[in-house]
Amino acid sequence: GIQVEQSPPDLILQEGANSTLRCNFSDSVNNLQWFHQNPWGQLINLFYIPSGTKQNGRLSATTVATERYSLLYISSSQTTDSGVYFCAVGFMNNNAGNMLTFGGGTRLMVKP
Amino acid sequence: NAGVTQTPKFRILKIGQSMTLQCTQDMNHNYMYWYRQDPGMGLKLIYYSVGAGITDKGEVPNGYNVSRSTTEDFPLRLELAAPSQTSVYFCASSYSRPYEQYFGPGTRLTVT
Repeated sequence: GIQVEQSPPDLILQEGANSTLRCNFSDSVNNLQWFHQNPWGQLINLFYIPSGTKQNGRLSATTVATERYSLLYISSSQTTDSGVYFCAVGFMNNNAGNMLTFGGGTRLMVKP
Repeated sequence: NAGVTQTPKFRILKIGQSMTLQCTQDMNHNYMYWYRQDPGMGLKLIYYSVGAGITDKGEVPNGYNVSRSTTEDFPLRLELAAPSQTSVYFCASSYSRPYEQYFGPGTRLTVT
């Protein structure tokens, strides 16, 4: 199956700092999603980005499908950004559902 | 529009007991999924369904069963609960295209 690796595994930032999270995957995909899991365990959809670049406020993401990686940028970090960021990838075919394979996550702590 | 809802939020089971985790979505998605998340890990797919009456195994199906009699509901059945099934269970749904999955709030299950 597809392998998904996220880096760094842990990240500590001072409030206001910027950061880049990376997701590498081992095979072709036609689905890639970034999630934020908050301290209460809720999974929040950040981006659906199988290719290209998207921005939403202080967050942006870029996926280069041909080189099998995606980047999540967090600018001007806030304490509410703390939690775990997951990258999940999938390949949809005609016989099976779109099964997502999750990376191990990046655990982010933003200090005030 | 409630999205994906799951009940119960928390449950403690004794070894050998059975239970059903409920999942309902009101987005008219044809695809639905069950994942489990063990502590400090990413999510793993248990079962999925591409439509009413059609289900298939994911990566970790042992000890679980599912059914899909309606578009809206996708219950997960645990038979003969074991401590290894202690986990947080997430239900998700999506259209067949685009493939973005939307997750419920999760059910935290402890088996003692």
